[in-house]
Amino acid sequence: DGGITQSPKYLFRKEGQNVTLSCEQNLNHDAMYWYRQDPGQGLRLIYYSQIVNDFQKGDIAEGYSVSREKKESFPLTVTSAQKNPTAFYLCASTPAAVGVGELFFGEGSRLTVL
Amino acid sequence: GENVEQHPSTLSVQEGDSAVIKCTYSDSASNYFPWYKQELGKRPQLIIDIRSNVGEKKDQRIAVTLNKTAKHFSLHITETQPEDSAVYFCAATLYNQGGKLIFGQGTELSVKP
Repeated sequence: DGGITQSPKYLFRKEGQNVTLSCEQNLNHDAMYWYRQDPGQGLRLIYYSQIVNDFQKGDIAEGYSVSREKKESFPLTVTSAQKNPTAFYLCASTPAAVGVGELFFGEGSRLTVL
Repeated sequence: GENVEQHPSTLSVQEGDSAVIKCTYSDSASNYFPWYKQELGKRPQLIIDIRSNVGEKKDQRIAVTLNKTAKHFSLHITETQPEDSAVYFCAATLYNQGGKLIFGQGTELSVKP
């Protein structure tokens, strides 16, 4: 089955800890994205990557980091510098250039900071 | 900065009625406008999209209209059914920022049987 797999689905973190969210796709898509979803605020772009070993900051990149060492994988690290990390995180991909065509989303990871 | 405004934030209709959700965008160079539906606890999925060279697009019970002059676009759902209940997001490309998508705040649609 082709698609995007995010893990874990639920994650609890203590303040001051870094946590990494996994995103893997087997769609052979070039571009990958991380969005944060908060109630009443839509989807906000954290980071995106158009090609392996290259990524750009989105609108709310502070306190987050990413890597793109493989085409299939785009992990997101939520660092202790992120002041309000409790949120629902969605990974997505598109076949080619950023902004062109349908975004395919994973099922999301819900992070709660205790 | 560039943004997309979406209204209303919540919408409740009776089954069989029509529902309309409206979005305005600020980047006059935007050229792609998708709509996503997110059912409770599920991932967002594309339901319809429109490009700037088209004024209207229909797919069965859903349609999208675009007014480039006024910089607004709307989603129309006719003959609503309970399974249409979900959060709907509009989006627009930021042409001068590499075509990134910026999303509206979302509309929670409730269709009452």
